[in-house]
Amino acid sequence: GAVVSQHPSWVICKSGTSVKIECRSLDFQATTMFWYRQFPKQSLMLMATSNEGSKATYEQGVEKDKFLINHASLTLSTLTVTSAHPEDSSFYICSAARQETQYFGPGTRLLVL
Amino acid sequence: AQSVTQPDIHITVSEGASLELRCNYSYGATPYLFWYVQSPGQGLQLLLKYFSGDTLVQGIKGFEAEFKRSQSSFNLRKPSVHWSDAAEYFCAVGALTGTASKLTFGTGTRLQVTL
Repeated sequence: GAVVSQHPSWVICKSGTSVKIECRSLDFQATTMFWYRQFPKQSLMLMATSNEGSKATYEQGVEKDKFLINHASLTLSTLTVTSAHPEDSSFYICSAARQETQYFGPGTRLLVL
Repeated sequence: AQSVTQPDIHITVSEGASLELRCNYSYGATPYLFWYVQSPGQGLQLLLKYFSGDTLVQGIKGFEAEFKRSQSSFNLRKPSVHWSDAAEYFCAVGALTGTASKLTFGTGTRLQVTL
């Protein structure tokens, strides 16, 4: 149990376009989901905490208007990178919390040209 | 603020040899501690976790970790490494925020296994 999926697994887009990434908990309900960003050969950086039915909480330095998060149901959270630029290229990973434990999705690689 | 230190960036071991990956944490209260493994281009898989109770925790794939409060450590061990264990290993400490733990990760240790 505790399976988390992400879609798409990779995406290439042009600069200025918006990209939506979905995170789903497949076999459990998650009141809280988290979004991380990972640069090559580095650790995970928490971007925001997504709570079902309420506004996301963003970490310091993360632009909330740039990275829109919606947690519409207990099994789905979405991250939209708005007006993407090459510096937004990265590996984005979500996690879903079941009680005190986070279970991670497989990640989405975003390349902005 | 909580923090996690993984002092070894890269470790190489021979297949069949024992393994110990170090993790030290800083946290003001009783921590929730986790070890995750990440294969290239993949998400993180939970190996094991410690919340309370027995300080020696068993996980998946033959891994175990021991919580030592006096040393603020949570080292990961495996008695005999397999080539498929080659991956990046992350230690994390959790702070309870409502119903979910907000995690702080270490910088990771890359494990290379030689045949």
